[in-house]
Amino acid sequence: NAGVTQTPKFQVLKTGQSMTLQCAQDMNHNSMYWYRQDPGMGLRLIYYSASEGTTDKGEVPNGYNVSRLNKREFSLRLESAAPSQTSVYFCASSEALGQGANEQYFGPGTRLTVT
Amino acid sequence: DQQVKQNSPSLSVQEGRISILNCDYTNSMFDYFLWYKKYPAEGPTFLISISSIKDKNEDGRFTVFLNKSAKHLSLHIVPSQPGDSAVYFCAASPFTGGFKTIFGAGTRLFVKA
Repeated sequence: NAGVTQTPKFQVLKTGQSMTLQCAQDMNHNSMYWYRQDPGMGLRLIYYSASEGTTDKGEVPNGYNVSRLNKREFSLRLESAAPSQTSVYFCASSEALGQGANEQYFGPGTRLTVT
Repeated sequence: DQQVKQNSPSLSVQEGRISILNCDYTNSMFDYFLWYKKYPAEGPTFLISISSIKDKNEDGRFTVFLNKSAKHLSLHIVPSQPGDSAVYFCAASPFTGGFKTIFGAGTRLFVKA
């Protein structure tokens, strides 16, 4: 099992460019998440998908869109990148439908720089 | 407004000694608390959790203590090993709306050999 995979690992964008971050999990988990990690701020939830076919905003959704393509895949799109979106992006998945401790399994991250 | 706070950005401990990582929270609606460990260039990995109905949970060298009246939890690592050197995130999850886990800023632990 690969767990949670993310592509690409690194990306440099110019302001205004668009890109899609890809995420896939092979654990048959119901729920998937996108976070960003910035220095001194921990992990902040951008969007999540409680189950296939649903998506909801998290704490910092502005400037992003998501697609839950199927049960395995959850992508994050930046339509017009801004320097404030320079960050490390993590995808995660969890089995529980938001119940209990809801421990999450994380991918290795995508380091994005917007110049 | 940070609902989950880890006030110590870093902690240095000698190998074999106890490491104590602290976390404070403000929202009394949190029902579960979790600790994640993160190595450089990797994603966080789940370490241990505790329900709000308990005050202690133990898993091998790792023990989490919860003091609900003080809205405080701590992670104890005994004995500490050099491989424990990582960033530790405290996280909290409400029972309803459990998708919206809130993470602290993390504490970087250095275990010196």
